[in-house]
Amino acid sequence: GQNIDQPTEMTATEGAIVQINCTYQTSGFNGLFWYQQHAGEAPTFLSYNVLDGLEEKGRFSSFLSRSKGYSYLLLKELQMKDSASYLCAVLDSNYQLIWGAGTKLIIKP
Amino acid sequence: GAVVSQHPSWVICKSGTSVKIECRSLDFQATTMFWYRQFPKQSLMLMATSNEGSKATYEQGVEKDKFLINHASLTLSTLTVTSAHPEDSSFYICSARDGGENEKLFFGSGTQLSVL
Repeated sequence: GQNIDQPTEMTATEGAIVQINCTYQTSGFNGLFWYQQHAGEAPTFLSYNVLDGLEEKGRFSSFLSRSKGYSYLLLKELQMKDSASYLCAVLDSNYQLIWGAGTKLIIKP
Repeated sequence: GAVVSQHPSWVICKSGTSVKIECRSLDFQATTMFWYRQFPKQSLMLMATSNEGSKATYEQGVEKDKFLINHASLTLSTLTVTSAHPEDSSFYICSARDGGENEKLFFGSGTQLSVL
């Protein structure tokens, strides 16, 4: 079967760094996404990785290792507004998005 | 890097009207484009796949006469929601596949449609 695993909840301090991990087992792979979603709102696209390595975009970076079926989202200089759910999703061989359950990130002052 | 522009980001319309969403690849030729839809608290679902110059392939359960997809050029695909109803309110997102060596996919920023 297809499976995406990520922690249910994480807590971090304002100004710090947090890494949210995601492991996956899917039928085929056409890329991995990270989305941010605040309660009651549509998800916001953060990143897309299809090749191995680290992609940096401002305070957010995303890493992918296809051989390990592993990705992480790194958030630096955390702000209170970063409190949200972070969703990992993999595009399988049929171009269907397989979603993780999401990681609720709580930022404390 | 490659960018996919999706427009509009938000649209509010009356029931019965039609809404067109555009998806453009800005610096590459997109041989294939995909359209997705997300229902609240559910996964993003693939609606259809379109190849430039040919008819779109719709996923099971997606009404092709209601969701008209046109991929007339290598840089533009449009999704038209015809005679929209409140149940069509959703988040729609497109993606474009770079026809180059990496065949990488790039996603638009999405369109939130609200039908009153």
